[in-house]
Amino acid sequence: EAQVTQNPRYLITVTGKKLTVTCSQNMNHEYMSWYRQDPGLGLRQIYYSMNVEVTDKGDVPEGYKVSRKEKRNFPLILESPSPNQTSLYFCASSWTGERNTEAFFGQGTRLTVV
Amino acid sequence: GENVEQHPSTLSVQEGDSAVIKCTYSDSASNYFPWYKQELGKRPQLIIDIRSNVGEKKDQRIAVTLNKTAKHFSLHITETQPEDSAVYFCAAKNTGGFKTIFGAGTRLFVKA
Repeated sequence: EAQVTQNPRYLITVTGKKLTVTCSQNMNHEYMSWYRQDPGLGLRQIYYSMNVEVTDKGDVPEGYKVSRKEKRNFPLILESPSPNQTSLYFCASSWTGERNTEAFFGQGTRLTVV
Repeated sequence: GENVEQHPSTLSVQEGDSAVIKCTYSDSASNYFPWYKQELGKRPQLIIDIRSNVGEKKDQRIAVTLNKTAKHFSLHITETQPEDSAVYFCAAKNTGGFKTIFGAGTRLFVKA
């Protein structure tokens, strides 16, 4: 089954404690992306990756890091989480170029930083 | 920078009526325009999309129109049903798929 899998689904952590949210897709998509969703603000792009070892900042990259060592995985790293990073996070993947298509989203990760 | 404006932010209709959600994009290089439906507590899922070489696309009760000159695209839902109640997002993606810009979302309520 084609899918994007995020883990964990829910996470409560304390300010300053490093955390990683994993994302994996099994569709061989080149493009992967992270979004955060906050009430009234829609989906805002944090980082995206066009392919292995190619990443770039989205609209709200501050406080986040990503890596793309393998095509299927695109983890989101919060080195020192702060309460303003409390949000619902989605990972997504898609084709690019001529096969430019819809994004397939993961189930979401609800993060609370206290 | 590039942005996508979406209106209205909230829409309430009576069951059976039509609903229209409008988006305007700024990046003239955008060539792919998907619409996503997000039910409460779930992930966004594609309901319809349109490419820049097409002016209109229809799938049963859902249709999307695109005006490239005005950089407008709209979602039309006819004969609305209570299960259409959700948040709808429009998005614009440019050639090569470098970035996807989402609208802020429209919360649609369909009253039975």
